[in-house]
Amino acid sequence: EAGVAQSPRYKIIEKRQSVAFWCNPISGHATLYWYQQILGQGPKLLIQFQNNGVVDDSQLPKDRFSAERLKGVDSTLKIQPAKLEDSAVYLCASSTSTGSGNTIYFGEGSWLTVV
Amino acid sequence: SQKIEQNSEALNIQEGKTATLTCNYTNYSPAYLQWYRQDPGRGPVFLLLIRENEKEKRKERLKVTFDTTLKQSLFHITASQPADSATYLCALTGTASKLTFGTGTRLQVTL
Repeated sequence: EAGVAQSPRYKIIEKRQSVAFWCNPISGHATLYWYQQILGQGPKLLIQFQNNGVVDDSQLPKDRFSAERLKGVDSTLKIQPAKLEDSAVYLCASSTSTGSGNTIYFGEGSWLTVV
Repeated sequence: SQKIEQNSEALNIQEGKTATLTCNYTNYSPAYLQWYRQDPGRGPVFLLLIRENEKEKRKERLKVTFDTTLKQSLFHITASQPADSATYLCALTGTASKLTFGTGTRLQVTL
């Protein structure tokens, strides 16, 4: 079974530029998550989708971050304009549903450095 | 406010010994607690899930305990091997089924 796919793996941009990350979840997984992981910290949930609807985006900095999940499959996360503090790993994950006992499967992450 | 605390200092142990990692939480009433492993440059990988009505769960060399009175979970790796070296994250489900992670504890197993 293919895992969660993310691209690009690495990206370096200057502050105030924009960047987009793409995620393809495990086939059949209805729930998709974007987490931000800053070095030395645990992953922090940015946004959670159930199919193509948003379940939770309470920690998404909406003035600069946006995410969409068209057709309930792939998702993109965009940052515009980027700030230095956005340097982090952006992890996409998926699960079969939003139930609290579900296992979450993570991708390898997209590493962002803002200079 | 809700907090999940894991020891931020690395845990160094000798091969063959039992590693014990701690996860403490406040202001949560989690129905589930999960443990994940994360290797450098990789995404977290699910290891074990324990429910609030379970005291202990085992999987091969791994054992997790869950004490809802103490608000603590212990994660044990018996007969540790260098390949067990990684960061271990605990995660709780709080409001609206949102899974929140602790900061993780790095385990280093030496020969």
